[in-house]
Amino acid sequence: DSGVTQTPKHLITATGQRVTLRCSPRSGDLSVYWYQQSLDQGLQFLIQYYNGEERAKGNILERFSAQQFPDLHSELNLSSLELGDSALYFCASSVGQGFNQPQHFGDGTRLSIL
Amino acid sequence: QKEVEQDPGPLSVPEGAIVSLNCTYSNSAFQYFMWYRQYSRKGPELLMYTYSSGNKEDGRFTAQVDKSSKYISLFIRDSQPSDSATYLCAMTSGIQGAQKLVFGQGTRLTINP
Repeated sequence: DSGVTQTPKHLITATGQRVTLRCSPRSGDLSVYWYQQSLDQGLQFLIQYYNGEERAKGNILERFSAQQFPDLHSELNLSSLELGDSALYFCASSVGQGFNQPQHFGDGTRLSIL
Repeated sequence: QKEVEQDPGPLSVPEGAIVSLNCTYSNSAFQYFMWYRQYSRKGPELLMYTYSSGNKEDGRFTAQVDKSSKYISLFIRDSQPSDSATYLCAMTSGIQGAQKLVFGQGTRLTINP
């Protein structure tokens, strides 16, 4: 058990809808990272928050947004969903803000767009 | 060309064999190298973490980095059926403002009893 909790485990919705994915980091970790994993693209970095502030952005679409709350949990919001957004979404956490810090992953949310 | 290239496999070997998993990369700024193991329906789990060149051993696992060739390897000795998983290499420069963790595509490994 990595200590990172993601909810829900599965999400099925329709095109055009909006969903929110939630992540609780390991106790003591201040950084949260969001990744998207698909068969053709592999694991792609989306965005990082450190202690409530955005720190780094990767290949995140404008339709996607995230935030980290004072209790350090994070939410990833996906809107105007398209079929191509179907993927596994992982959250990871680390103690510090550098990408060279070991990241610990949750078990992901599987998003299916019908 | 992708920054990190990893043979997706699948790779199937008999129990007890030595397994070699490899990644090549193009960014010479990469200094931190990791191997993650991902079981089906689970998140990636950090297996090995190395900095710069050289070897690092942990039990049956050895991580090797050759920065001159931009090539990293993970060796698994005495492979077990429980080692069956997808293995992902990952790397980063560690340079503030220019960094992210870049993953390979993953190699799916099956150890046959």
